[in-house]
Amino acid sequence: AQSVSQHNHHVILSEAASLELGCNYSYGGTVNLFWYVQYPGQHLQLLLKYFSGDPLVKGIKGFEAEFIKSKFSFNLRKPSVQWSDTAEYLCAVNEVGSARQLTFGSGTQLTVLP
Amino acid sequence: DSGVTQTPKHLITATGQRVTLRCSPRSGDLSVYWYQQSLDQGLQFLIQYYNGEERAKGNILERFSAQQFPDLHSELNLSSLELGDSALYFCASSEDSSGNTIYFGEGSWLTVV
Repeated sequence: AQSVSQHNHHVILSEAASLELGCNYSYGGTVNLFWYVQYPGQHLQLLLKYFSGDPLVKGIKGFEAEFIKSKFSFNLRKPSVQWSDTAEYLCAVNEVGSARQLTFGSGTQLTVLP
Repeated sequence: DSGVTQTPKHLITATGQRVTLRCSPRSGDLSVYWYQQSLDQGLQFLIQYYNGEERAKGNILERFSAQQFPDLHSELNLSSLELGDSALYFCASSEDSSGNTIYFGEGSWLTVV
């Protein structure tokens, strides 16, 4: 079965610091990759997604992610974080051609200090 | 606002009881997904319905069941509740069955005491 690993459970940064959150998946076939964000008290929102093509994907709010197939990774980055980026970030994968339900990582709680 | 509506937002019930969580998908979406988010298990896929039919099943307990009605709203029934069932239950919807772009509701907080 596929799995998604997010090794950083809690990241604390100061405003303007750069961010990189790791995401690795275990499935060897073709996958679609997603990053979701959950702000306090709000629903999950899609930040960005990768289906095919350019492995560097740009999302909303200045976030981007790079798909590195050889490393089974889809790390999320932002050059300069803001206090309002404080949230939980979840990486998710679904397998192309299968039942296609999303498998989520355990999430990374990002706290940005003003 | 994602357009996915879940009720109730909060629910406290006793062990052994049964509850029903309701979800109205975004207008036009045919697929409904149910996820459970708990502290120890993270976000786990439970079940997916597409246009009234069960499409995929995940880690859903036998004590839990779901259905999607002709008007496309869905209900998740949780019975013989245990303390460990306390979690945030998310509903999500998508236009098709691919699961490629899904929209989440705000969740229903279930506390079993």
